[in-house]
Amino acid sequence: AQKITQTQPGMFVQEKEAVTLDCTYDTSDPSYGLFWYKQPSSGEMIFLIYQGSYDQQNATEGRYSLNFQKARKSANLVISASQLGDSAMYFCAMRIGGYNKLIFGAGTRLAVHP
Amino acid sequence: GAGVSQSPRYKVAKRGQDVALRCDPISGHVSLFWYQQALGQGPEFLTYFQNEAQLDKSGLPSDRFFAERPEGSVSTLKIQRTQQEDSAVYLCASSLADQPQHFGDGTRLSIL
Repeated sequence: AQKITQTQPGMFVQEKEAVTLDCTYDTSDPSYGLFWYKQPSSGEMIFLIYQGSYDQQNATEGRYSLNFQKARKSANLVISASQLGDSAMYFCAMRIGGYNKLIFGAGTRLAVHP
Repeated sequence: GAGVSQSPRYKVAKRGQDVALRCDPISGHVSLFWYQQALGQGPEFLTYFQNEAQLDKSGLPSDRFFAERPEGSVSTLKIQRTQQEDSAVYLCASSLADQPQHFGDGTRLSIL
């Protein structure tokens, strides 16, 4: 079965510290993509970062990096130098092979404290 | 605007009424998706269009749900004879070919 698991319902971090949000995935398809989205309280889903299953290097986008461990089927999001505006829900998602739809995890609510 | 636009932002309907939710994708995006997000959960896929063709509707929960994109641009998600379990946020996303999906702000539907 194709599934995304986010085991941390909530996390908190001090401003300016780094935080890791966990994501594990399950698929038997060798070709897949992994995504992280941020959803603030206003509701929009904001694309953060993408990792393809064949990518050799971990993806990075500014303060966001993806710790991709293929053998463990994990794709953890690392946010460096947390800011108050990072407080939001974070969703990990997977796209399988030739299919276009995204399969989402249940999300992790991140709170950044001053 | 340059982003995905959804309307209305909020919709309240009585059980049994029909509703129509609109999505205006980013110009030039051939792929369009609808997702349903229940309170406290991640979005769940409903249906996918490539231009005007509905290529995947496997996520539509019942035949009360119907989506169309007649000219390959604006899409409408229609729910007939609404029920309380239809209450959710409905998200629309669009993308180019294999690029990441860009989401709208969603329509929050409440069925009384």
